Amino acid sequence: AQSVSQHNHHVILSEAASLELGCNYSYGGTVNLFWYVQYPGQHLQLLLKYFSGDPLVKGIKGFEAEFIKSKFSFNLRKPSVQWSDTAEYFCAVTGGGSQGNLIFGKGTKLSVKP
Amino acid sequence: EPEVTQTPSHQVTQMGQEVILRCVPISNHLYFYWYRQILGQKVEFLVSFYNNEISEKSEIFDDQFSVERPDGSNFTLKIRSTKLEDSAMYFCASHGPSGKHNEQFFGPGTRLTVL
Repeated sequence: AQSVSQHNHHVILSEAASLELGCNYSYGGTVNLFWYVQYPGQHLQLLLKYFSGDPLVKGIKGFEAEFIKSKFSFNLRKPSVQWSDTAEYFCAVTGGGSQGNLIFGKGTKLSVKP
Repeated sequence: EPEVTQTPSHQVTQMGQEVILRCVPISNHLYFYWYRQILGQKVEFLVSFYNNEISEKSEIFDDQFSVERPDGSNFTLKIRSTKLEDSAMYFCASHGPSGKHNEQFFGPGTRLTVL
């Protein structure tokens, strides 16, 4: 069965620090990968997605993620975080012939200190 | 910008009671999903729905659960006899006709509290 691991439960950074959130998945076939963000009191929103092609994908708000197939990883990065990036970040995957249902990681809470 | 809506935002019920959670997906979307998130745990897939039938369901989605699209607009999740462990946030999601692996748009969630 597919699964997604997010290694960091809570990350605390100061503004302007660089961010990297880890995500690993377990599935050997073709996968589609997503990062969703949930700002306090708001619903899940898509940050970026990878289906095929360039393994470095750029999303909204300056986020990017790199798909490394050999490492089964899809880490999220941002060179310089802002206070407004405080949110919970979820990595998710679909694949394996499923009907598109997302398998989520446990999420990483990011707190950015002003 | 069109969005997925869910009602109510918070539902409190007694154990053993039936609840219906409602969702209005984005109007031209064809694929619908329910997920839940128990406090402190990951978001878990419950069920997907396409072409007026369930296309996939997880182990969580047992006989106590059912889904319906009664009028071409609403998409409902019914829990027949709630248990304490059904307390969670329930998220509805939908996506459009351009493929089953496209971006899913999520609603704001319904917080279900079973007492």
